[in-house]
Amino acid sequence: DVKVTQSSRYLVKRTGEKVFLECVQDMDHENMFWYRQDPGLGLRLIYFSYDVKMKEKGDIPEGYSVSREKKERFSLILESASTNQTSMYLCASFRVRTEAFFGQGTRLTVV
Amino acid sequence: AQKVTQAQTEISVVEKEDVTLDCVYETRDTTYYLFWYKQPPSGELVFLIRRNSFDEQNEISGRYSWNFQKSTSSFNFTITASQVVDSAVYFCALGRSGNTPLVFGKGTRLSVIA
Repeated sequence: DVKVTQSSRYLVKRTGEKVFLECVQDMDHENMFWYRQDPGLGLRLIYFSYDVKMKEKGDIPEGYSVSREKKERFSLILESASTNQTSMYLCASFRVRTEAFFGQGTRLTVV
Repeated sequence: AQKVTQAQTEISVVEKEDVTLDCVYETRDTTYYLFWYKQPPSGELVFLIRRNSFDEQNEISGRYSWNFQKSTSSFNFTITASQVVDSAVYFCALGRSGNTPLVFGKGTRLSVIA
């Protein structure tokens, strides 16, 4: 059974903290993504990676960075968490011309 | 530019009614892929279907059916005899042939009332 696993389901962090969201896939997919989901705004792409150590900015990269040191792991980093980064974060992976598989999501609250 | 529009923000139906979720897309690519995903209250997006741009055949899977029409750039999703378990947010998405991310619509929240 294919899997994308996000490290936390729920997370509460304080303003100014550095936050790491981890995502691991077991399908040997080249492409991995981080999306943010907010009510009324749908899924917005933060960053994506099409290979190890490669990354591309998505639509809303400000305040975020990513790391992909190994093919199976794609980390999203909030350098200094702010309340406007309270959101649902979704990680996905896919192989070209096939469907994307999503993790269970991380609901992050920044207080 | 790639764009997906789901004009229906929320739909509410009574159980056993049929319901159609609309999806209109924009792309200049000749090769592209269309997807539907379901997001139940648990939060995880579940893949439902993929269609490539060369295959305009409609598809039926149980109570679900999809109508792909290139002439109107639409990929609509119909649930027949809806059930409470169909209550979820449904997303339509557009993909390209290379290593590029999917572009999602804003989703349609479907509520099926018993």
